[in-house]
Amino acid sequence: GQNIDQPTEMTATEGAIVQINCTYQTSGFNGLFWYQQHAGEAPTFLSYNVLDGLEEKGRFSSFLSRSKGYSYLLLKELQMKDSASYLCAAASGGSYIPTFGRGTSLIVHP
Amino acid sequence: GAGVSQTPSNKVTEKGKYVELRCDPISGHTALYWYRQSLGQGPEFLIYFQGTGAADDSGLPNDRFFAVRPEGSVSTLKIQRTERGDSAVYLCASSPGSSSYEQYFGPGTRLTVT
Repeated sequence: GQNIDQPTEMTATEGAIVQINCTYQTSGFNGLFWYQQHAGEAPTFLSYNVLDGLEEKGRFSSFLSRSKGYSYLLLKELQMKDSASYLCAAASGGSYIPTFGRGTSLIVHP
Repeated sequence: GAGVSQTPSNKVTEKGKYVELRCDPISGHTALYWYRQSLGQGPEFLIYFQGTGAADDSGLPNDRFFAVRPEGSVSTLKIQRTERGDSAVYLCASSPGSSSYEQYFGPGTRLTVT
C-alpha cells in the first residue's frame, strides 16, 4: 500500500513564506504531485516532481527527495487567496494515478 | 475553452436507491478518472478509463459501483443500493492521454444518502 503524511493545518501571515511538508511511503514510486483545493471547489494542479531537487514556478516551488521519501511545497509572498487545502499525492506502479494525502489546510491571515 | 463538467451538482437520495452521476470531460481528452472525496480527506481513486475501456478499476469499493464510457467521451458512474456511507463528493478528472500527468478536475457532484 501507500502512505502519505502531511500536516493537517498551518497558518501564516500575508506576505510571508510557508513550507508544507509531505512524506510518503510507496513501492514503485513514479513521482509526486501537489494540488491546490479551495473550499468547495475542485483540485487544481500545481506541480509534478519526478527528479530530486527544487522546481520553481512563480511564487510556488516544489522539492523532492526520492531517497528520503520527502517533498515540500514552498509558497512565497503569501496572499489571502492562497488560503486553501494543499494536497500531496504520489504516483506509483507505472501510472500517473495519484494517491492523495488528507491535505494541509493553509490559513493566511493579514 | 470548456472545462470538465459534472451533473448534477448536488444529489440527495434515500438509502437503497440507485443513482447515476455524469461527467463530461474536456473535448479530446482520452483519459478519464473518477474519485470520491469525503470531508477532511483527499480524493480517493475509483476508476480510470483510457478511451472506452476501464484501464484500472481497482479503486471501486464493491460491486455496487459501476462506471461506463461507451463512446470514449461522457462517462457515467452508477451506484446501486446506495448506503449512507456513500455520501461524499464525487470528482471526475480528464487528461489528454495516459502519458499526461496533469489532470483537470470537474466541480464534483455532492451525493447525500439519507
